[in-house]
Amino acid sequence: DIQMTQSPSTLSASVGDTVTITCRASQSISDWLAWYQQKPGKAPKLLIYKASNSERGVPSRFSGSGSGTEFTLTISSLQPDDFATYYCQQYNTYSRTFGQGTKVEI
Amino acid sequence: EVQLLESGGGLVQPGGSLRLSCAASGFTFQNYALSWVRQAPGKGLEWVSAISGSGGSTFYADSVQGRFTISRDNSKNTVFLFMDSLGAEDAAVYYCAKVRVSLIDPDAFDFWGQGTMVTVSS
Repeated sequence: DIQMTQSPSTLSASVGDTVTITCRASQSISDWLAWYQQKPGKAPKLLIYKASNSERGVPSRFSGSGSGTEFTLTISSLQPDDFATYYCQQYNTYSRTFGQGTKVEI
Repeated sequence: EVQLLESGGGLVQPGGSLRLSCAASGFTFQNYALSWVRQAPGKGLEWVSAISGSGGSTFYADSVQGRFTISRDNSKNTVFLFMDSLGAEDAAVYYCAKVRVSLIDPDAFDFWGQGTMVTVSS
C-alpha cells in the first residue's frame, strides 16, 4: 500500500497567518491527491482534488500544489473557521490511503 | 441535494457481526462508486472498502479483507457493509462517501454521510 505522511502533525497559528501543510507519498501518485478539512464531530469536507483543483464553494484562500510524491496545502490569511484538522488522501490506487492528519490550532 | 444517511451502528460483542446501511439520494445512484471510511475515536481517517456503481467490483483494505463485505442495491439507492468477526480495532465512526465523478473510481470523495458509530465491547 502507498503510505501518506503529513507534516507537521500539529500547527499553531493565528488569524491572518499563511500556513502550509505537506503530504508525502511513499511512491509516485501523479496528481491523484485530495485534501479534506474536518471539524470535531463532523464528516470531512473536500477542499482540493487532483492536487490543485478547488472544489466548488471552497474559499480561494485554500490552494494545493505538487505532483509525484510531494504535495502542499496552503491556507492564506487564516480565518477563525479554518481551525480544524486537515487530511490528504491518495487515490492513485484502489487501496486509497489517508495521511495521519494535521491539526491547525490557535 | 445529495444526501447520504448511514444507519446500523451500535454495540456489538467481540467476534460478533453488524450490517451498516447507507441510503443515498440526490444523484444518479448507479453511476457512482461509493466507499466506507472509518475513524476510530481520536484517530485519523481509514478507507475501508469501495464498490463500483454497478456493484460488480469491490475493494477492501487489508485490515478488513475477508471479514467485511460491501454490497449495494441500486433499486433502493442503498449501499451496505456487512462486518464479521469484529474486534476492538474495528470500533469507529463509519462514514459512507461518494466519489466526485460518475463512472470514475478511484476518485476524491465529494459528499460524506454523518457517520454511524460502531462500538465493540463485551
